[in-house]
Amino acid sequence: EPEVTQTPSHQVTQMGQEVILRCVPISNHLYFYWYRQILGQKVEFLVSFYNNEISEKSEIFDDQFSVERPDGSNFTLKIRSTKLEDSAMYFCASSDTSGGLEQFFGPGTRLTVL
Amino acid sequence: AQSVSQHNHHVILSEAASLELGCNYSYGGTVNLFWYVQYPGQHLQLLLKYFSGDPLVKGIKGFEAEFIKSKFSFNLRKPSVQWSDTAEYFCAVNASTDTGNQFYFGTGTSLTVIP
Repeated sequence: EPEVTQTPSHQVTQMGQEVILRCVPISNHLYFYWYRQILGQKVEFLVSFYNNEISEKSEIFDDQFSVERPDGSNFTLKIRSTKLEDSAMYFCASSDTSGGLEQFFGPGTRLTVL
Repeated sequence: AQSVSQHNHHVILSEAASLELGCNYSYGGTVNLFWYVQYPGQHLQLLLKYFSGDPLVKGIKGFEAEFIKSKFSFNLRKPSVQWSDTAEYFCAVNASTDTGNQFYFGTGTSLTVIP
């Protein structure tokens, strides 16, 4: 069964450093998403991406964040200058071409900012 | 703004007990509703979903949920829980738009099943 994959599983970085979290969505999906889950809190929507552009983003997704689909398979989330409060689990999700009602989630990348 | 409320933050049950986790949402339009489960150390997995039709939906592992439109609720139930059901449960609502869709998650309910 196809699944969403994410790398790395755990990323440790120093405050102020740039990080890139990588996701490989399910191959025939066209809608892509990033979510984050701060430890002990709910899953929060960050951004959705369709047709090579951001379609929606939340207040969390400020100028420090960017997304890119550099090739036909990867979908990346970049945090330009990490802050302590960026420490969280980051989930990628994708949905298919038929309106995308169901999203399939990846295993997540745990980002720890020191 | 849309929101999803899960009123039970932490539930502790003995094996074989019945389970009901509450979920309420605030959105007046057409919604699609989901319950996701997150087992310790694992990623979110779909438990069940409601798009349309029969408001009582059955999911995996003996779970079911009932959509009550008048109450804006989508409560999750299981008649007899097992130790392996220990996990975090998230209710989510999705509203489709022309450019895609966005999920709103509840804060989650942590379920601990005692053997």
